[in-house]
This record gives sequence, C-alpha cells and structure tokens, in this order.
Amino acid sequence: QKEVEQDPGPLSVPEGAIVSLNCTYSNSAFQYFMWYRQYSRKGPELLMYTYSSGNKEDGRFTAQVDKSSKYISLFIRDSQPSDSATYLCAMSGITGGFKTIFGAGTRLFVKA
Amino acid sequence: EAGVAQSPRYKIIEKRQSVAFWCNPISGHATLYWYQQILGQGPKLLIQFQNNGVVDDSQLPKDRFSAERLKGVDSTLKIQPAKLEDSAVYLCASNRDGDNSPLHFGNGTRLTVT
Repeated sequence: QKEVEQDPGPLSVPEGAIVSLNCTYSNSAFQYFMWYRQYSRKGPELLMYTYSSGNKEDGRFTAQVDKSSKYISLFIRDSQPSDSATYLCAMSGITGGFKTIFGAGTRLFVKA
Repeated sequence: EAGVAQSPRYKIIEKRQSVAFWCNPISGHATLYWYQQILGQGPKLLIQFQNNGVVDDSQLPKDRFSAERLKGVDSTLKIQPAKLEDSAVYLCASNRDGDNSPLHFGNGTRLTVT
C-alpha cells in the first residue's frame, strides 16, 4: 500500500464547475498537508498549505483535512481553463524528519 | 526573490552514457532536495542536503547516481551509466531549514535515455 493514494484522472469539467480533488494516506504521523499545482513542463508550485485537521480557504480554493479519516481534499470553485494542470497532494510530519511525500497527481482539464 | 534555477532544461542521451544536472537554490535556503518524477507519477525524493551535508539519500541508487553540494549552495546530480528507466524529470527544490516550510521547486531537467 502506498503512503499516499491519489486518483490520477484525468478529470475533465466545464468552465465554472466546482472541482473536488482528493487524497488518502496511511501514515497517521503526517501533520502538514499541501497541494501543489504543476503546469505542463513546469515545476510544482505551492497552492495550499495546512496544518492538522480543518479547512483553509484562499480565493477560489479550499483545502480540507480530516485526520480521523486520513483524507484530504481540494475544492476549486468557478473553475477556469487556466486551472488546467496536474494537482499533487503532499504531506509531511516531524517523525519523518519532515520528508515530503507526494501523491501521483490528478490531471485536471477545464473546458471553455 | 529569484526562484530555483536548473539546467539544462532537456537532455537526450543513450543508455550507458553519463549526464549531469545543475541546481542553484533560492538564496538563503539551507536545504536542497533532488526529486525524480517519472511520467504519470508524483515526485520521489532522491537526496536531501542540509548546507553541504547529506541528510537523506536512502532512495538514491548509489551504484549509478551521485550528488554533491559544494560550499552549501549549488548542487549537481550525476548519473553514470544511465539506464532506460532513468528517463524522467529531475526536479530540484529548496527550503529554509529542512523543516515543515514548503518546498520551492525549479522547472526541472527532462531526461530521455534512448
């Protein structure tokens, strides 16, 4: 079993749709949860960063962490064609020396 | 602030040849990472440096991969000899102290081994 599981997609939605991206994990020691966005032929860039359980909102993006279920989500409201990218979940914890473990990434296409 | 710089952007080599990648992290970032990202997969950590010392190289194939970070700034990653399965994007990342602060990535070097 992988430490972090993420559906690779692809996920195709029309412009303006609400997008839900998810990851599950097995290591209960993870405390820091991140979402990175990666455009084609670019490096990952940090989108959202949360600590422990709860919600965090930034513009059209909302990150949710449910540590009891070992489940994290990223919601994108009013999706735009410019949101078309691969979204990588990532997580780390102090017991792992803050080693960041990535999911496989979900490819998202937003159609105009 | 300037981002993480990597070169070259692309490299095509034949199997059994050698190749080297270069990375310059964000100024002031003590910790530098090399990740391998195979097509369709997430980045996998190869090696982590804190200043010029190795913190974690447990997933580095040491029979063919080597890395160094002289003077605690720039770093090079070398593969010798390359195998077909080494075809991937090699990403360099940095953060301030190797703690819980997020990683800043370069745009990577895309390696194709034929």
